[in-house]
Amino acid sequence: KAGVTQTPRYLIKTRGQQVTLSCSPISGHRSVSWYQQTPGQGLQFLFEYFSETQRNKGNFPGRFSGRQFSNSRSEMNVSTLELGDSALYLCASSAGQASSGANVLTFGAGSRLTVL
Amino acid sequence: GNSVTQMEGPVTLSEEAFLTINCTYTATGYPSLFWYVQYPGEGLQLLLKATKADDKGSNKGFEATYRKETTSFHLEKGSVQVSDSAVYFCALSAHQAGTALIFGKGTTLSVSS
Repeated sequence: KAGVTQTPRYLIKTRGQQVTLSCSPISGHRSVSWYQQTPGQGLQFLFEYFSETQRNKGNFPGRFSGRQFSNSRSEMNVSTLELGDSALYLCASSAGQASSGANVLTFGAGSRLTVL
Repeated sequence: GNSVTQMEGPVTLSEEAFLTINCTYTATGYPSLFWYVQYPGEGLQLLLKATKADDKGSNKGFEATYRKETTSFHLEKGSVQVSDSAVYFCALSAHQAGTALIFGKGTTLSVSS
């Protein structure tokens, strides 16, 4: 069974540019969540999508956005990149049938974004 | 608000030593609690979980017990191996919050032979 796949694994952008990251969840999983990991702030929740609808959102500015497609694949976009956006962006999927905190997340290997 | 506090690392141990990584939480209601592990260059993997008070999660020799009275979920292993070297994250999920996890800062464990 294939795991959670994130692309690209590494990318370098300059300030002011925008970036789109992609996540393919485990087959059958309908919930996709995104997290930002930095040395200073640790792991922070960005947002969660379930059946193409945003179900939850973390405390990030509007430059961070996402969407989910009918096949459950998800993308996140960061516009007007800042140096502080350099991070490992992790995607996780779960069956997520209901808003249950007991849902187990399976994480991808992440997309490492460097902003110069 | 909800939060997780775990002991600062790094933790350096010799093979076969006993491991404890402390984790305490603040949450309204009755959250689910998790330990995730991250190996170098990889994403996070679920190590164990507990969904209600007094539950004990266990996996690969690691254990943690959900203690509501002390709001703790300490990770323990009786005999660590070099292959256990990784970063360990304690996390909670409020039952009303879908799959959103709140993580601790992570504890780096280094085991030498």
